[in-house]
Amino acid sequence: GENVEQHPSTLSVQEGDSAVIKCTYSDSASNYFPWYKQELGKRPQLIIDIRSNVGEKKDQRIAVTLNKTAKHFSLHITETQPEDSAVYFCAPLIDLGGGADGLTFGKGTHLIIQP
Amino acid sequence: DSGVTQTPKHLITATGQRVTLRCSPRSGDLSVYWYQQSLDQGLQFLIHYYNGEERAKGNILERFSAQQFPDLHSELNLSSLELGDSALYFCASSVGQGAQGANVLTFGAGSRLTVL
Repeated sequence: GENVEQHPSTLSVQEGDSAVIKCTYSDSASNYFPWYKQELGKRPQLIIDIRSNVGEKKDQRIAVTLNKTAKHFSLHITETQPEDSAVYFCAPLIDLGGGADGLTFGKGTHLIIQP
Repeated sequence: DSGVTQTPKHLITATGQRVTLRCSPRSGDLSVYWYQQSLDQGLQFLIHYYNGEERAKGNILERFSAQQFPDLHSELNLSSLELGDSALYFCASSVGQGAQGANVLTFGAGSRLTVL
């Protein structure tokens, strides 16, 4: 099956510092790369996504960068705030065979913002 | 409220039993996806339906089955339940079915299944 790995599994940063989470994937045909945020006890929610025709996308304090050659993309959060504490999942779109594709989620990164 | 409705929110049952989880997608969405989230695990893709037809299968056990009805709601049936089936089951919906268009998933609040 397709392989999706996230690093690190846990990340603790001081409030106001930056956080970077990396996701590697194995399907070279992937062309859609989203990041989802899941707060404790809540549903996952899309926070940012990027398609393979661009290398970077920003939305206020959040950015995603993509390196298709190396098959990895990263989530960058600047000026971290307590409400950024959550589990973050990458979910590249993977070919599932038979003409179907689907989001394959990484195991998640638990981001802890220290006050 | 995301617009994706899942019922029940919580369910406690015994090993060997059978349960049905229900999902109503967001208005206008034709795709329904089911995911399983166990403790300390990511979201495991189970199955995808588009406009009533099965489109893709993930790591779904033979004891599990699903369907999408003409009104686009979906049901996930879990039978011969085992302790290890205890998990949070999420349903998500999207407008399309693949990478050609936007494939943003909107998740429901989940159904928490506890098998005792």
